[in-house]
Amino acid sequence: DIQMTQSPSTLSASVGDRVTISCRASQSISTYLAWYQQKAGKAPKLLIYQASSLESGVPSRFSGSGSGTEFTLTISSLQPEDLATYYCQHYYDFSWAFGQGTKVEIK
Amino acid sequence: QVQLVQSGAEVKKPGASVMVSCKASGFSFSDYYIHWVRQAPGQGLEWMGSINPNGGGTNYAQNFQDRITVTSDSSTTTVYMKLSSLTSADSAVCYCARGRTMMVTTPFDSWGQGTLVTVSS
Repeated sequence: DIQMTQSPSTLSASVGDRVTISCRASQSISTYLAWYQQKAGKAPKLLIYQASSLESGVPSRFSGSGSGTEFTLTISSLQPEDLATYYCQHYYDFSWAFGQGTKVEIK
Repeated sequence: QVQLVQSGAEVKKPGASVMVSCKASGFSFSDYYIHWVRQAPGQGLEWMGSINPNGGGTNYAQNFQDRITVTSDSSTTTVYMKLSSLTSADSAVCYCARGRTMMVTTPFDSWGQGTLVTVSS
């Protein structure tokens, strides 16, 4: 099975800061990588698919990059409503798996 | 609009089975895979399995291979997830989710509201 590892587990940043979350796959997954945002008590929301494509309706301050085994989610200017846990997910080779999550806190 | 509406919370004893339903609407039911994802309290997301309603083909995560059955009913556009031999470690919120495109290799763009499954003696 392909394992997904995110870092950091938690980060604290100020409104307006640029925030970067990393995700590493245990083997190459090309660009079959998605990012989700989950707010407390809610279902996850798809932000990015195919590593760098922005889902419809998602603010442009969110962006994704990477291929192979190394991926990044960037929030260009952190907003108060971005308080959430973020998950990467691979969807490669008829299997799906999530990273352990990164909790974003607002200073 | 796409909607996935799940059945209500369940309380089960250890060793029992639970069945959670997911009623789909707002899209062509047979064209999209439906997946099940669970989240234990304070923990991350765990993919459990999926079904292609067009033909009923399934994929299951290795961790659940022997205990999970996912089925679909096209007449009611409903997907069911049955998990057997429950233990306290199975206490979690279970979500159904739709594949974003008609391809199998796709992320999940619509989610149900979640169903809390509690396993307690």
